[in-house]
Amino acid sequence: DAGVTQSPTHLIKTRGQQVTLRCSPISGHKSVSWYQQVLGQGPQFIFQYYEKEERGRGNFPDRFSARQFPNYSSELNVNALLLGDSALYLCASSLSLVLAKNIQYFGAGTRLSVL
Amino acid sequence: GENVEQHPSTLSVQEGDSAVIKCTYSDSASNYFPWYKQELGKRPQLIIDIRSNVGEKKDQRIAVTLNKTAKHFSLHITETQPEDSAVYFCAASLSGLNDMRFGAGTRLTVKP
Repeated sequence: DAGVTQSPTHLIKTRGQQVTLRCSPISGHKSVSWYQQVLGQGPQFIFQYYEKEERGRGNFPDRFSARQFPNYSSELNVNALLLGDSALYLCASSLSLVLAKNIQYFGAGTRLSVL
Repeated sequence: GENVEQHPSTLSVQEGDSAVIKCTYSDSASNYFPWYKQELGKRPQLIIDIRSNVGEKKDQRIAVTLNKTAKHFSLHITETQPEDSAVYFCAASLSGLNDMRFGAGTRLTVKP
């Protein structure tokens, strides 16, 4: 049974470019969340999607956007990349919306380096 | 919004000793408190969680306690082993929302 899968695993971009990161949740999971983890810090919440609708947004600029597809996979898009966007981007999936009733599982992440 | 603080940032113990990591949260509406273990270069893995209707939960050598009045919760690892060495993150989730707020992490080193 496959876990949460993310692609690509590593990515190098230059300032001002755009990037798209992809996530496939565990089969049957309808909720996907995105987190940014800067080296040496805890993950920071970016977005949460459930049934293709945005259900939560963290304190990130409008350069960050996401969407969820009918098969519950998701993409995170970052425009006009800055050096500070360099981080590990984690995707997490869970069965439903309410964390208090189910567990959230993380993917291995995409490591983005902005030069 | 929710703010989670975690202490200490680093912790070094001898094999067999106990380790305690503490977290505080700011939003009294939070009702789900998971703990994640992250080994170098790997994904965070859930090791234990507690919900607001419970004061303590135990799973073999790992236990978590929650004090809702004081808005703090703690991770206790007994009989530590070298393979327990990792970064541990606490998190808190607001009621009804799937957006966890994480602490900054504790790097635990267990010396053989």
